[in-house]
Amino acid sequence: DAGVTQSPTHLIKTRGQQVTLRCSPKSGHDTVSWYQQALGQGPQFIFQYYEEEERQRGNFPDRFSGHQFPNYSSELNVNALLLGDSALYLCASSTGNEQYFGPGTRLTVT
Amino acid sequence: GEDVEQSLFLSVREGDSSVINCTYTDSSSTYLYWYKQEPGAGLQLLTYIFSNMDMKQDQRLTVLLNKKDKHLSLRIADTQTGDSAIYFCAESIRGSQGNLIFGKGTKLSVKP
Repeated sequence: DAGVTQSPTHLIKTRGQQVTLRCSPKSGHDTVSWYQQALGQGPQFIFQYYEEEERQRGNFPDRFSGHQFPNYSSELNVNALLLGDSALYLCASSTGNEQYFGPGTRLTVT
Repeated sequence: GEDVEQSLFLSVREGDSSVINCTYTDSSSTYLYWYKQEPGAGLQLLTYIFSNMDMKQDQRLTVLLNKKDKHLSLRIADTQTGDSAIYFCAESIRGSQGNLIFGKGTKLSVKP
């Protein structure tokens, strides 16, 4: 059984550009959450998707948006990239109380 | 407000027990989690405890919860070099529908 997968693994973008990150949940999971982990910090919750709707959102600006597809996979979009958006972006899938994380996408903004 | 705090570093000898501590502030926490992160990797769910429990044991791992003091600990018995990693404590708040609040992580170094 494949766990949570994310693509791409690494990404380098320039300030002002836009980026799309992708996540496929663990088999049988219907809920996807996205987190941002800056260097040396714990992950911070961005938002969560369930039944193709954003169910909850953390303290992130509107530049961060997402989508969930009927097969439960999800995308995270970030517009107008800032240097401070450089981080590891983690996707987690769940059904119930256990959240399982993917390996993350390392985004570097130059 | 919501806050989770952990000490940043812990160093132990191989074969000893490790105890990683965590404090949280929100009394409405429902579940408390321990995750492990190895360099360059995502987070691995180690174990979790429901807030009405005091203790949970899972092989080498023992979780203790003191709800009165809002203190959570993770004990790793017979620590091995492969246990070297960053350990994160996280809480799930009642009504948050899965939004996990993480601490900054404790870096565990195991010396042979």
